[in-house]
Amino acid sequence: GAVVSQHPSWVICKSGTSVKIECRSLDFQATTMFWYRQFPKQSLMLMATSNEGSKATYEQGVEKDKFLINHASLTLSTLTVTSAHPEDSSFYICSARSPGLAYEQYFGPGTRLTVT
Amino acid sequence: GQQLNQSPQSMFIQEGEDVSMNCTSSSIFNTWLWYKQDPGEGPVLLIALYKAGELTSNGRLTAQFGITRKDSFLNISASIPSDVGIYFCAGQRGGNTPLVFGKGTRLSVIA
Repeated sequence: GAVVSQHPSWVICKSGTSVKIECRSLDFQATTMFWYRQFPKQSLMLMATSNEGSKATYEQGVEKDKFLINHASLTLSTLTVTSAHPEDSSFYICSARSPGLAYEQYFGPGTRLTVT
Repeated sequence: GQQLNQSPQSMFIQEGEDVSMNCTSSSIFNTWLWYKQDPGEGPVLLIALYKAGELTSNGRLTAQFGITRKDSFLNISASIPSDVGIYFCAGQRGGNTPLVFGKGTRLSVIA
Protein backbone atom coordinates (compact mmCIF):
# COMPACT_ATOMS: atom_id res chain seq x y z
CA GLY A 1 0.00 0.00 0.00
CA ALA A 2 0.83 3.73 -0.05
CA VAL A 3 2.21 3.87 -3.58
CA VAL A 4 2.90 7.15 -5.34
CA SER A 5 3.68 7.31 -9.04
CA GLN A 6 5.15 10.06 -11.19
CA HIS A 7 5.03 10.58 -14.90
CA PRO A 8 7.18 10.99 -16.85
CA SER A 9 10.22 9.48 -15.16
CA TRP A 10 12.49 11.62 -17.32
CA VAL A 11 11.97 14.37 -19.87
CA ILE A 12 14.15 16.48 -22.12
CA CYS A 13 12.78 19.75 -23.41
CA LYS A 14 14.01 22.86 -25.17
CA SER A 15 14.41 26.22 -23.49
CA GLY A 16 11.22 28.23 -23.53
CA THR A 17 8.86 25.29 -23.59
CA SER A 18 6.64 24.09 -20.74
CA VAL A 19 6.71 20.69 -19.12
CA LYS A 20 4.02 19.03 -17.03
CA ILE A 21 4.82 16.41 -14.40
CA GLU A 22 2.06 14.27 -12.88
CA CYS A 23 1.99 12.82 -9.39
CA ARG A 24 -0.59 10.21 -8.46
CA SER A 25 -1.41 8.39 -5.25
CA LEU A 26 -2.39 4.94 -6.48
CA ASP A 27 -3.97 3.26 -3.49
CA PHE A 28 -4.93 6.05 -1.13
CA GLN A 29 -6.47 9.48 -1.20
CA ALA A 30 -3.88 12.16 -0.63
CA THR A 31 -5.26 15.20 1.10
CA THR A 32 -1.89 16.88 0.78
CA MET A 33 0.81 16.58 -1.81
CA PHE A 34 4.28 18.11 -1.77
CA TRP A 35 6.71 18.96 -4.55
CA TYR A 36 10.45 18.83 -3.98
CA ARG A 37 13.48 19.61 -6.03
CA GLN A 38 16.77 17.81 -5.52
CA PHE A 39 20.17 18.77 -6.84
CA PRO A 40 22.95 16.18 -7.15
CA LYS A 41 24.31 14.99 -3.81
CA GLN A 42 21.97 17.28 -1.89
CA SER A 43 18.91 16.86 0.26
CA LEU A 44 15.37 17.47 -0.85
CA MET A 45 14.26 21.08 -1.12
CA LEU A 46 10.55 21.69 -0.57
CA MET A 47 9.06 23.80 -3.34
CA ALA A 48 5.38 23.85 -2.47
CA THR A 49 2.58 22.22 -0.53
CA SER A 50 -0.76 21.61 -2.17
CA ASN A 51 -4.04 20.64 -0.61
CA GLU A 52 -6.78 19.22 -2.77
CA GLY A 53 -9.09 21.89 -4.08
CA SER A 54 -7.09 24.86 -2.85
CA LYS A 55 -4.15 26.93 -4.03
CA ALA A 56 -0.66 25.67 -3.41
CA THR A 57 1.53 27.24 -0.75
CA TYR A 58 4.96 28.01 -2.15
CA GLU A 59 8.17 28.14 -0.19
CA GLN A 60 10.14 31.34 -0.09
CA GLY A 61 12.13 31.88 -3.27
CA VAL A 62 10.01 29.58 -5.44
CA GLU A 63 8.29 31.44 -8.28
CA LYS A 64 4.64 30.43 -8.33
CA ASP A 65 4.16 31.73 -11.88
CA LYS A 66 7.00 29.56 -13.10
CA PHE A 67 6.14 26.39 -11.21
CA LEU A 68 2.38 25.96 -11.56
CA ILE A 69 0.85 23.41 -9.22
CA ASN A 70 -2.63 22.00 -9.56
CA HIS A 71 -4.11 19.53 -7.08
CA ALA A 72 -7.34 18.78 -8.89
CA SER A 73 -8.32 15.59 -7.11
CA LEU A 74 -7.43 13.51 -4.08
CA THR A 75 -5.20 11.31 -6.22
CA LEU A 76 -3.58 13.70 -8.68
CA SER A 77 -1.33 16.74 -8.49
CA THR A 78 0.55 18.28 -11.39
CA LEU A 79 3.61 20.50 -11.56
CA THR A 80 4.08 22.53 -14.72
CA VAL A 81 7.44 24.15 -15.32
CA THR A 82 6.67 27.08 -17.59
CA SER A 83 9.14 28.67 -20.00
CA ALA A 84 11.81 26.24 -18.90
CA HIS A 85 15.45 27.29 -18.74
CA PRO A 86 18.57 25.13 -18.40
CA GLU A 87 18.84 26.11 -14.72
CA ASP A 88 15.47 24.41 -14.17
CA SER A 89 17.14 21.09 -14.96
CA SER A 90 16.84 19.00 -11.83
CA PHE A 91 15.28 15.96 -10.18
CA TYR A 92 11.70 16.72 -9.16
CA ILE A 93 10.03 14.50 -6.58
CA CYS A 94 6.48 14.57 -5.31
CA SER A 95 5.12 13.08 -2.13
CA ALA A 96 1.67 12.47 -0.77
CA ARG A 97 0.19 12.27 2.67
CA SER A 98 -3.08 11.18 4.17
CA PRO A 99 -4.49 11.41 7.68
CA GLY A 100 -5.57 7.82 7.20
CA LEU A 101 -1.89 6.90 6.99
CA ALA A 102 -0.96 8.75 10.18
CA TYR A 103 0.34 11.61 8.05
CA GLU A 104 3.27 9.49 6.93
CA GLN A 105 4.67 10.91 3.74
CA TYR A 106 5.24 8.67 0.73
CA PHE A 107 7.38 9.71 -2.20
CA GLY A 108 7.11 9.16 -5.91
CA PRO A 109 10.06 7.82 -7.91
CA GLY A 110 11.02 11.26 -9.21
CA THR A 111 11.22 12.95 -12.61
CA ARG A 112 14.53 13.92 -14.15
CA LEU A 113 14.09 17.14 -16.16
CA THR A 114 16.77 18.25 -18.57
CA VAL A 115 16.33 21.57 -20.38
CA THR A 116 18.54 22.09 -23.40
CA GLY B 1 14.76 26.62 5.35
CA GLN B 2 15.64 24.73 8.49
CA GLN B 3 17.45 21.45 8.18
CA LEU B 4 18.25 18.79 10.71
CA ASN B 5 21.86 18.06 11.64
CA GLN B 6 22.54 14.59 10.31
CA SER B 7 25.79 12.72 10.80
CA PRO B 8 27.92 11.27 9.54
CA GLN B 9 27.79 12.71 6.03
CA SER B 10 29.20 9.53 4.56
CA MET B 11 30.37 6.11 5.70
CA PHE B 12 32.41 3.35 4.14
CA ILE B 13 31.95 0.02 5.90
CA GLN B 14 32.70 -3.62 5.37
CA GLU B 15 29.88 -5.99 4.60
CA GLY B 16 28.60 -7.52 7.82
CA GLU B 17 29.41 -4.50 10.00
CA ASP B 18 26.80 -2.57 11.96
CA VAL B 19 26.06 1.05 11.07
CA SER B 20 24.78 3.93 13.16
CA MET B 21 23.69 7.39 12.07
CA ASN B 22 21.84 10.14 13.87
CA CYS B 23 19.96 13.38 13.55
CA THR B 24 19.70 16.26 15.97
CA SER B 25 17.66 19.40 16.09
CA SER B 26 17.53 22.55 18.16
CA SER B 27 13.75 22.31 18.29
CA ILE B 28 11.22 19.64 19.13
CA PHE B 29 9.58 17.33 16.61
CA ASN B 30 6.55 15.15 17.23
CA THR B 31 7.38 12.59 14.56
CA TRP B 32 10.68 11.32 13.22
CA LEU B 33 10.99 9.38 9.98
CA TRP B 34 13.88 7.66 8.27
CA TYR B 35 14.06 7.27 4.50
CA LYS B 36 16.46 5.57 2.10
CA GLN B 37 17.08 6.90 -1.39
CA ASP B 38 18.72 4.92 -4.18
CA PRO B 39 20.30 6.80 -7.12
CA GLY B 40 17.68 8.18 -9.49
CA GLU B 41 14.81 7.13 -7.26
CA GLY B 42 12.53 8.75 -4.74
CA PRO B 43 13.03 8.23 -1.00
CA VAL B 44 11.47 5.12 0.50
CA LEU B 45 10.08 5.23 4.03
CA LEU B 46 11.95 2.84 6.33
CA ILE B 47 10.70 3.62 9.83
CA ALA B 48 8.32 6.14 11.39
CA LEU B 49 8.51 7.06 15.08
CA TYR B 50 5.67 8.77 16.95
CA LYS B 51 6.53 8.79 20.66
CA ALA B 52 9.48 10.11 22.60
CA GLY B 53 11.63 7.19 23.68
CA GLU B 54 10.06 4.85 21.13
CA LEU B 55 12.34 2.16 19.72
CA THR B 56 11.15 0.54 16.50
CA SER B 57 12.64 -2.17 14.32
CA ASN B 58 12.14 -3.08 10.68
CA GLY B 59 14.19 -6.17 9.90
CA ARG B 60 17.85 -5.28 10.38
CA LEU B 61 16.97 -1.63 10.94
CA THR B 62 16.32 -0.13 14.35
CA ALA B 63 15.46 3.49 15.03
CA GLN B 64 14.80 5.43 18.19
CA PHE B 65 12.95 8.65 18.92
CA GLY B 66 15.03 10.58 21.43
CA ILE B 67 13.51 11.28 24.81
CA THR B 68 14.01 15.03 24.40
CA ARG B 69 12.21 14.89 21.01
CA LYS B 70 15.22 16.66 19.50
CA ASP B 71 17.07 13.68 18.11
CA SER B 72 16.80 10.26 16.55
CA PHE B 73 19.18 7.53 15.49
CA LEU B 74 19.08 4.72 12.95
CA ASN B 75 21.07 1.51 13.28
CA ILE B 76 21.59 -1.06 10.55
CA SER B 77 22.90 -4.41 11.69
CA ALA B 78 24.95 -6.85 9.61
CA SER B 79 25.12 -4.60 6.55
CA ILE B 80 24.81 -6.07 3.07
CA PRO B 81 25.64 -4.57 -0.34
CA SER B 82 22.03 -3.58 -1.05
CA ASP B 83 22.12 -1.26 1.98
CA VAL B 84 24.13 1.15 -0.17
CA GLY B 85 22.33 4.45 -0.66
CA ILE B 86 21.56 7.74 1.00
CA TYR B 87 19.68 7.74 4.27
CA PHE B 88 17.67 10.79 5.26
CA CYS B 89 16.13 11.61 8.59
CA ALA B 90 13.05 13.81 8.63
CA GLY B 91 11.16 15.50 11.42
CA GLN B 92 7.59 16.66 11.53
CA ARG B 93 6.15 19.03 14.04
CA GLY B 94 2.64 17.75 13.79
CA GLY B 95 -0.54 17.37 11.80
CA ASN B 96 -0.15 18.45 8.22
CA THR B 97 3.07 20.42 8.53
CA PRO B 98 5.88 19.80 6.01
CA LEU B 99 8.78 17.52 6.81
CA VAL B 100 12.16 18.98 7.70
CA PHE B 101 15.00 16.89 6.27
CA GLY B 102 18.56 16.17 7.24
CA LYS B 103 21.28 16.46 4.61
CA GLY B 104 21.61 12.71 4.34
CA THR B 105 24.16 10.02 5.15
CA ARG B 106 25.73 8.34 2.14
CA LEU B 107 26.44 4.70 2.93
CA SER B 108 28.88 2.58 0.96
CA VAL B 109 29.30 -1.11 1.73
CA ILE B 110 32.48 -2.88 0.69
CA ALA B 111 31.99 -6.55 -0.01
